[in-house]
Amino acid sequence: NAGVTQTPKFQVLKTGQSMTLQCAQDMNHEYMSWYRQDPGMGLRLIHYSVGAGITDQGEVPNGYNVSRSTTEDFPLRLLSAAPSQTSVYFCASRPGTVTITDTQYFGPGTRLTVL
Amino acid sequence: AQTVTQSQPEMSVQEAETVTLSCTYDTSESDYYLFWYKQPPSRQMILVIRQEAYKQQNATENRFSVNFQKAAKSFSLKISDSQLGDAAMYFCAYKGRSQGNLIFGKGTKLSVKP
Repeated sequence: NAGVTQTPKFQVLKTGQSMTLQCAQDMNHEYMSWYRQDPGMGLRLIHYSVGAGITDQGEVPNGYNVSRSTTEDFPLRLLSAAPSQTSVYFCASRPGTVTITDTQYFGPGTRLTVL
Repeated sequence: AQTVTQSQPEMSVQEAETVTLSCTYDTSESDYYLFWYKQPPSRQMILVIRQEAYKQQNATENRFSVNFQKAAKSFSLKISDSQLGDAAMYFCAYKGRSQGNLIFGKGTKLSVKP
C-alpha cells in the first residue's frame, strides 16, 4: 500500500492563480480530510468528506473547494490564490468505522507559497 | 466547541533525560480520544500514542507514556531516555467519539541536546 499520497510536494503560485492539490489513498478509507498548518497555529481543518459524493466544511473553508467523486481521491482546489493561503497542506484519511483503531493516516504534505 | 491547548511553545531536554510535554483540552463530551503526534523536520505526521477517555489506565508505548487526568482535562506526554531522534514538533490532538476529524493544539517544539 502507498498509503496517503499528495502531489505536488512544493508549489509556488502568483496571487489570483488557481490550482488543485491532489490527494489519493489506497486503503479504501471512507473519511478524508484536508488540513492546513501555519507556524504557531497547529493544524486546522479545511474540508472533509465522509464518503464519495459527500463533503462538508471544517474550521477554515474560505477560498477552498473540494469534491469527492471516488473513494480514493479528494482534491483541494484554490480558485484564486491569495498570500494568506501560503501554508503547508496535509491530506488525511481514516476508516469509516469509529473504533479505537480508527487512526488518521496523513500524507507527506504540500508546501504552497503564494506571492 | 472543543479546544486543545499546549502551553509550552518550546522545550529542551538533555539526551537520556526525561521530559514532559503538557496538553489541556476543553470538551463537554464524555467519550473521546486523545492523541500525541510527532512531526520531525521531514513534515510527516507520526502517531506516537493514543488514549481512550473511558480507560483509566494511562497508555504506554515503549519510552513514551501519558498522564491522563480526565477530571482536570489534562493529557501530558512523558518521553523517557530522550534520544536525538526525538527532536521534533509534538502535537496534542482531540477527537470526539462520533467525530471524524482531529482538533489540534498549536504544538511544542522539542529540542534534544547531546
